Amino acid sequence: GNSVTQMEGPVTLSEEAFLTINCTYTATGYPSLFWYVQYPGEGLQLLLKATKADDKGSNKGFEATYRKETTSFHLEKGSVQVSDSAVYFCALINFGNEKLTFGTGTRLTIIP
Amino acid sequence: SAVISQKPSRDICQRGTSLTIQCQVDSQVTMMFWYRQQPGQSLTLIATANQGSEATYESGFVIDKFPISRPNLTFSTLTVSNMSPEDSSIYLCSSTEVTEAFFGQGTRLTVV
Repeated sequence: GNSVTQMEGPVTLSEEAFLTINCTYTATGYPSLFWYVQYPGEGLQLLLKATKADDKGSNKGFEATYRKETTSFHLEKGSVQVSDSAVYFCALINFGNEKLTFGTGTRLTIIP
Repeated sequence: SAVISQKPSRDICQRGTSLTIQCQVDSQVTMMFWYRQQPGQSLTLIATANQGSEATYESGFVIDKFPISRPNLTFSTLTVSNMSPEDSSIYLCSSTEVTEAFFGQGTRLTVV
């Protein structure tokens, strides 16, 4: 079956630091990959996605590249801000199956 | 992209009672999904709801506890029955469209 392994948190960084949150996956076929963000007290929001190998998803300064050879989709940001404090979820979906499989989530806290 | 309106956004309920959560999608979708997010945890799929057929439940979830309705292609409800404090969670509905999954804002349920 499908699975997503995500870097455990919590992660605490200073403002303007470089961020990497690791995500690796196991899936049959060619899944689409996602990063979702959950700000305090809010629901899930799609942050970025990639639907095929070597695609790079990007949004709000965050990037992740779909690496089929390493089955990875690591989230990166060059300079984090306090407003990036949230929980980040890596997820995949095999369309046809239509079910999202989520990683455990990584709580990120940025301190001024 | 689909927009999903979910209500209520939060509720505090007495144990032994039931709560029905509603999700309305602004377009017709084939499948809708219900997830539970327990405090500090990732999302767990409860069931998949297709219009015109019974919902398909994941392991550990049963219809008597989480009855689901899907009367048409834009609407679904999840009922949390005979609630106990262990049911305190965020409940989210979701649908998929092409290569993306969309979520309602979530219902934060507290059972006292």
